[in-house]
Amino acid sequence: AQSVSQHNHHVILSEAASLELGCNYSYGGTVNLFWYVQYPGQHLQLLLKYFSGDPLVKGIKGFEAEFIKSKFSFNLRKPSVQWSDTAEYFCAVNLGGYQKVTFGTGTKLQVIP
Amino acid sequence: GAGVSQSPRYKVAKRGQDVALRCDPISGHVSLFWYQQALGQGPEFLTYFQNEAQLDKSGLPSDRFFAERPEGSVSTLKIQRTQQEDSAVYLCASTPRTSGLNTGELFFGEGSRLTVL
Repeated sequence: AQSVSQHNHHVILSEAASLELGCNYSYGGTVNLFWYVQYPGQHLQLLLKYFSGDPLVKGIKGFEAEFIKSKFSFNLRKPSVQWSDTAEYFCAVNLGGYQKVTFGTGTKLQVIP
Repeated sequence: GAGVSQSPRYKVAKRGQDVALRCDPISGHVSLFWYQQALGQGPEFLTYFQNEAQLDKSGLPSDRFFAERPEGSVSTLKIQRTQQEDSAVYLCASTPRTSGLNTGELFFGEGSRLTVL
């Protein structure tokens, strides 16, 4: 069965610091990869996604993620975080052509002004 | 409305009571999903509908959990004889279907928080 691991459960950064959140998945076939974000008091929403093509994908609000197939990883990055990035971030995967999406346990990011 | 709507937003039940949680997906979205999110965890898949057909219910934790979507739009998740371990946020999500393939992008509601005492 597919699974997703997020190694950082809680990250605290100062504004303008760089961010990298780790995500690894366990499935050797074709996958679609996602990062979702949940801002305080809001619903989960899509940040970015990878289906195929360029392994470096860019999402909203300056976020990007790189798919490294050999490492089964899809890490999320942002060069300079803002206080408004305080949220919980979830990595997710689904098998190509299959509906079910599997989520990681999430990483809570706290950005200190 | 423009988004996925869930009700009630909060539900407190005594152990042993039955509860029903409602999801109104985005208009025209073919696929509908239910997820369970326990405290400190990521969303865990419960079940999936395509129109009115329940195509995958492998994530339902026990036969006390039942979901339906009789007309291919609104869905109800029913939990019978609730237990304390059922306390969680229940998330509903919908997706359009694009070219017959799942894009994987889920549009979530705000969830129904169930507390079982």
